[in-house]
Amino acid sequence: EAGVAQSPRYKIIEKRQSVAFWCNPISGHATLYWYQQILGQGPKLLIQFQNNGVVDDSQLPKDRFSAERLKGVDSTLKIQPAKLEDSAVYLCASKLPSGSEQYFGPGTRLTVT
Amino acid sequence: SQKIEQNSEALNIQEGKTATLTCNYTNYSPAYLQWYRQDPGRGPVFLLLIRENEKEKRKERLKVTFDTTLKQSLFHITASQPADSATYLCALGTSGNTGKLIFGQGTTLQVKP
Repeated sequence: EAGVAQSPRYKIIEKRQSVAFWCNPISGHATLYWYQQILGQGPKLLIQFQNNGVVDDSQLPKDRFSAERLKGVDSTLKIQPAKLEDSAVYLCASKLPSGSEQYFGPGTRLTVT
Repeated sequence: SQKIEQNSEALNIQEGKTATLTCNYTNYSPAYLQWYRQDPGRGPVFLLLIRENEKEKRKERLKVTFDTTLKQSLFHITASQPADSATYLCALGTSGNTGKLIFGQGTTLQVKP
């Protein structure tokens, strides 16, 4: 079974620029998560989707971050404008509605200079 | 305030010994707790889940305990091998169907031959 796919793997941008990350979850996984992982820390949930609806976006900095999951499959996370403190790995994860185990993609490492 | 704490220092052990990693939490009432393994440049990989009404769970060389009175989980790797070297993350799962996880900062384990 194919895993969670993410692209790009690496991105370097200057502050105030915009960036977008893409995630393709495992087929059949209705639940999708975006996490931010700063170096030396655990993943921090940004947003959770159930199909194409948002379940939890309480920790998403909505003044600069946005996410969508059109058609309940692929998802895009956008940052506009980026700040230095946004430098982190952005992880996408998915799971089956009935399960608890989350399957993570390889992440996108973002460096903001 | 709510807090999840894992051994902040890296854990260095000799091959063949048992590694014990600690996860303590305060001001949470998790319905379950999960342990993940994360290798450099990769997303976390699920290892074990233990529910609040379970004391112990085993899988091959892995053992997890969960003490809701002490608010602590211990993660053991017996007969450790250099290939077990990685960062191990504990994650608290809330009740309900969202599957939301709150991660600790992780503990880095180094197994020396």
